[in-house]
Amino acid sequence: EAGVAQSPRYKIIEKRQSVAFWCNPISGHATLYWYQQILGQGPKLLIQFQNNGVVDDSQLPKDRFSAERLKGVDSTLKIQPAKLEDSAVYLCASSLVRRQGANYGYTFGSGTRLTVV
Amino acid sequence: GQQLNQSPQSMFIQEGEDVSMNCTSSSIFNTWLWYKQDPGEGPVLLIALYKAGELTSNGRLTAQFGITRKDSFLNISASIPSDVGIYFCAGQARGSTLGRLYFGRGTQLTVWP
Repeated sequence: EAGVAQSPRYKIIEKRQSVAFWCNPISGHATLYWYQQILGQGPKLLIQFQNNGVVDDSQLPKDRFSAERLKGVDSTLKIQPAKLEDSAVYLCASSLVRRQGANYGYTFGSGTRLTVV
Repeated sequence: GQQLNQSPQSMFIQEGEDVSMNCTSSSIFNTWLWYKQDPGEGPVLLIALYKAGELTSNGRLTAQFGITRKDSFLNISASIPSDVGIYFCAGQARGSTLGRLYFGRGTQLTVWP
């Protein structure tokens, strides 16, 4: 099966500019996640969607970050305006949660490496 | 949020040696996952554990879900150069938002030929 697709792979922007990332999850995976991974750390959840609804966005800096999943499939994550500390890899993941409390098929994309200068 | 303590932070071993790393949490988890991440790539799932005490193997890799449900370990036997990378533990806390994972900070593994 095809994996989680993300684009672009790399992006360099100046601070205060805006940027958007795109993710296409594995077909049939209802749950989609966006993670931020700062160099030397593990991924940190930004937002989680179940179909096209937000399940958890408690860690999302909502003053500058936004995300949507309008049709319950593809998703975009936007940063506006970007700050230097937003430099990180942004990972998208999807999973097929078959029963309460369990993750199945939790798969990550290759990520977008963002550098803010 | 939940804290996952993963150790060791880094390991330098010789090809053929066995490797062991572990992860502990401050609360009870109902899922433990182990991932490997190569440079420039996203984490790739190695082993998934769903029951306390569960011992699961994937080739030279073996992982166990601790009886207390607050820890897990990963063993790699007879390491080879392609085992180089960062290994992450991840878990889902009991009662947490559906599907949310928490990650350790990773173990950087270097294998000398």
